[in-house]
Amino acid sequence: AQSVTQPDIHITVSEGASLELRCNYSYGATPYLFWYVQSPGQGLQLLLKYFSGDTLVQGIKGFEAEFKRSQSSFNLRKPSVHWSDAAEYFCAVGEGSGTYKYIFGTGTRLKVLA
Amino acid sequence: DTGVSQDPRHKITKRGQNVTFRCDPISEHNRLYWYRQTLGQGPEFLTYFQNEAQLEKSRLLSDRFSAERPKGSFSTLEIQRTEQGDSAMYLCASSLGSLDTQYFGPGTRLTVL
Repeated sequence: AQSVTQPDIHITVSEGASLELRCNYSYGATPYLFWYVQSPGQGLQLLLKYFSGDTLVQGIKGFEAEFKRSQSSFNLRKPSVHWSDAAEYFCAVGEGSGTYKYIFGTGTRLKVLA
Repeated sequence: DTGVSQDPRHKITKRGQNVTFRCDPISEHNRLYWYRQTLGQGPEFLTYFQNEAQLEKSRLLSDRFSAERPKGSFSTLEIQRTEQGDSAMYLCASSLGSLDTQYFGPGTRLTVL
């Protein structure tokens, strides 16, 4: 069965520091991968997505992610974190046969220290 | 493009009452999805529509839950005889087609007392 693992429940970084959020997936075919961000009380906003092609994808707000098939990973990175990046981040895999429903990880809550 | 909207944003109800939520997808989006998110978890798929047809329901969707999309536009999710375990954020998403990105609404937070 498809699954997504986000090993870090909480991460704390200082403003201006670099950030990497980990995501590992289990999926038999070529995965469709997404990162969403959720601020308190809000819905999910798409940061970036990978369907095919270049394995390094650029997203909004200065985020990027790299798809590594050999490691079944799709880690999210940002070179310099801003205080407004504090939120919860979800990695998801799109089930690619019929439903195309998303399977989400449990999320990583990011705290940014001033 | 006004985005996906959901109403109400918050609902507090007593156990045993019925509740109904509404989702308005992005105009011309054919697919509409419902997810449920409990505290500390990621969203979990409940059901989806292709136009007005409900094509898949998760085993999470007990017989107390029913969803409709009568004209292929807005959708409603009804929960009958609510239980405390139904307390969650109910998220709606829409997409233009099967492989297209899903855009999420702000959610309806349900609290069952």
